[in-house]
Amino acid sequence: RKEVEQDPGPFNVPEGATVAFNCTYSNSASQSFFWYRQDCRKEPKLLMSVYSSGNEDGRFTAQLNRASQYISLLIRDSKLSDSATYLCVVISGSDYKLSFGAGTTVTVRA
Amino acid sequence: DTGVSQDPRHKITKRGQNVTFRCDPISEHNRLYWYRQTLGQGPEFLTYFQNEAQLEKSRLLSDRFSAERPKGSFSTLEIQRTEQGDSAMYLCASSPRGADTYGYTFGSGTRLTVV
Repeated sequence: RKEVEQDPGPFNVPEGATVAFNCTYSNSASQSFFWYRQDCRKEPKLLMSVYSSGNEDGRFTAQLNRASQYISLLIRDSKLSDSATYLCVVISGSDYKLSFGAGTTVTVRA
Repeated sequence: DTGVSQDPRHKITKRGQNVTFRCDPISEHNRLYWYRQTLGQGPEFLTYFQNEAQLEKSRLLSDRFSAERPKGSFSTLEIQRTEQGDSAMYLCASSPRGADTYGYTFGSGTRLTVV
């Protein structure tokens, strides 16, 4: 079983729509959680951290459910520029190596 | 220092050849990581250094792969006797010691194609 699993999508949504997706992680001792964004053939870039109490950054909302071991990302009022692959990332040790999910592809259409 | 630099950006090689990639981290970062990403997958951890010490190697890193970080500055990743399955994007990242992912900076990657 992979340490981090995501729905690969793709999610095809119109501009202005809300899109949400989850990822699950297997290691109950995981301590840090993040969403990264990756554009085609580019390096991953940090989108936001995920906190136990849930957190927002503009149109993006992240949630963490430790009991069920899943993380979610919600994008409101989707923009064309939100089209990307969103990678769920977990840190489970003191060496800070990142465990990535395979990514969820989002395509926002005009 | 504008970030993490990787060289080359692209490499096409014939099966069986050796290749070497270079990563120049942010100068004050003492941790350096190598990841590999294949099409449709997220990056997978290969190895990491703290200063010049290689502290962990993934099972993905077969004996054809070797990484070094002499003097704790730049790092090289060498693949010997390349195979088609080695075709991937090789990503380097660096971070300050003790930082969580806020300190992580990825390079633009080296895309390897083995023909």
